[in-house]
Amino acid sequence: RKEVEQDPGPFNVPEGATVAFNCTYSNSASQSFFWYRQDCRKEPKLLMSVYSSGNEDGRFTAQLNRASQYISLLIRDSKLSDSATYLCATAKETSGSRLTFGEGTQLTVNP
Amino acid sequence: NAGVTQTPKFQVLKTGQSMTLQCAQDMNHNSMYWYRQDPGMGLRLIYYSASEGTTDKGEVPNGYNVSRLNKREFSLRLESAAPSQTSVYFCASSVSRASGNTIYFGEGSWLTVV
Repeated sequence: RKEVEQDPGPFNVPEGATVAFNCTYSNSASQSFFWYRQDCRKEPKLLMSVYSSGNEDGRFTAQLNRASQYISLLIRDSKLSDSATYLCATAKETSGSRLTFGEGTQLTVNP
Repeated sequence: NAGVTQTPKFQVLKTGQSMTLQCAQDMNHNSMYWYRQDPGMGLRLIYYSASEGTTDKGEVPNGYNVSRLNKREFSLRLESAAPSQTSVYFCASSVSRASGNTIYFGEGSWLTVV
């Protein structure tokens, strides 16, 4: 079993839709959690860190459920520019280094 | 503002050839990493270096060697390339802070072994 698992999709949604991604992790020692965004043939870039209390950045909301060992990402009012692959990542250290990534979920937002 | 720079961007190798992927960062980061990304597998850590002079194996180190030449540079060497090493390679760096850290990736190196 992979340490971090995501539904690879693809997810195809219309502009303005709300879309949610889930990610499960198997290592209960995981301490830090992140969502990265990766555009086609580009490097991953940090979208947001995920905190136990949940956190929001504009149209993006991330949540962590330690008991069930999953993290989620909600995108509201999706834009064409949100089309990308979204990678979840965990780290055993609180400093967040040495990330373990899921394989990514591909999102396409259609006009 | 270069960030993390890796070279070459594209490379085709024949089976058995050797090559070195170069990586340099100008952010004064302590930690550096090499990941590979394959379809259906996500990003997997090959080697990392927590600080100058130290290196440690990651999830998939077999067939690779690394050198942390100084604080700025972290190279990845394939001694005898195999088709299974066809992949996209990303170098990354990070600095540890009390609030956590952010990992910055280079633009990637596309390697094909034929």
